[in-house]
Amino acid sequence: GQNIDQPTEMTATEGAIVQINCTYQTSGFNGLFWYQQHAGEAPTFLSYNVLDGLEEKGRFSSFLSRSKGYSYLLLKELQMKDSASYLCAVGGDYKLSFGAGTTVTVRA
Amino acid sequence: DGGITQSPKYLFRKEGQNVTLSCEQNLNHDAMYWYRQDPGQGLRLIYYSQIVNDFQKGDIAEGYSVSREKKESFPLTVTSAQKNPTAFYLCASGPSGGALADTQYFGPGTRLTVL
Repeated sequence: GQNIDQPTEMTATEGAIVQINCTYQTSGFNGLFWYQQHAGEAPTFLSYNVLDGLEEKGRFSSFLSRSKGYSYLLLKELQMKDSASYLCAVGGDYKLSFGAGTTVTVRA
Repeated sequence: DGGITQSPKYLFRKEGQNVTLSCEQNLNHDAMYWYRQDPGQGLRLIYYSQIVNDFQKGDIAEGYSVSREKKESFPLTVTSAQKNPTAFYLCASGPSGGALADTQYFGPGTRLTVL
C-alpha cells in the first residue's frame, strides 16, 4: 500500500515563496505527481518527477529524492490565484495514490 | 475541444435509490478512473479501467459498480449498498493503461447529495 504525508495547511504573503513537502512510503514507485485544486473544482496537473532532482516550470518547481521518499513543490512569487489545495500523488501499480492535500492561503 | 465531461454537476437523490454518474472523454485515452473526495481528505480510488471491457476495483469499491463498453465512456453507478454516498465524484483519464503511472486528467466532477 501507499502512505503519503503532507501538511494540512500553509499560509504565505503575496510575492513570497512557499515550499510544500510530501513524504511517502510505497510498495511500488513509478513517479511523483503534483496537482493543484481550487475549491469546488477538479485537480489540474502541475508537475511530474520520476528521477531525482529538481524540475522547474515557470514559478513552480518540484523536487524528488527517491532514496528518502521525499518530494517538495516550490511556489515562487506567490499570487492570490495560487490560493488552492496542492495534492501530492505517487504513481505505481497502474494507478495514482493521493495525499490528503495541502491548503495554501495567500494573503495580500 | 478535447477533454473530459461529467454530468450532471450537481445531483440529488433519495436514500435507497441507485444513481449513475456519467463520464465521457474524447482524448483517445485508454485508461479511465473514478475517485471520491470528501472534505479534508484526499482522492480515493473507486474503480479503474485500463482498456475497454476490463476494469478493476480500487481502494473503496464496495457499493459501486462500473462498466467500460466504449473507450470514451466509463459510467459509475452508486448503489443503495453504499453507506455514505454523499461526496464529490471525480472522473479522470490517462493516455495508457500500462504499469507506468500516467499523468491523469480530470473532469469537472459531480457533487452527489443523498437526502
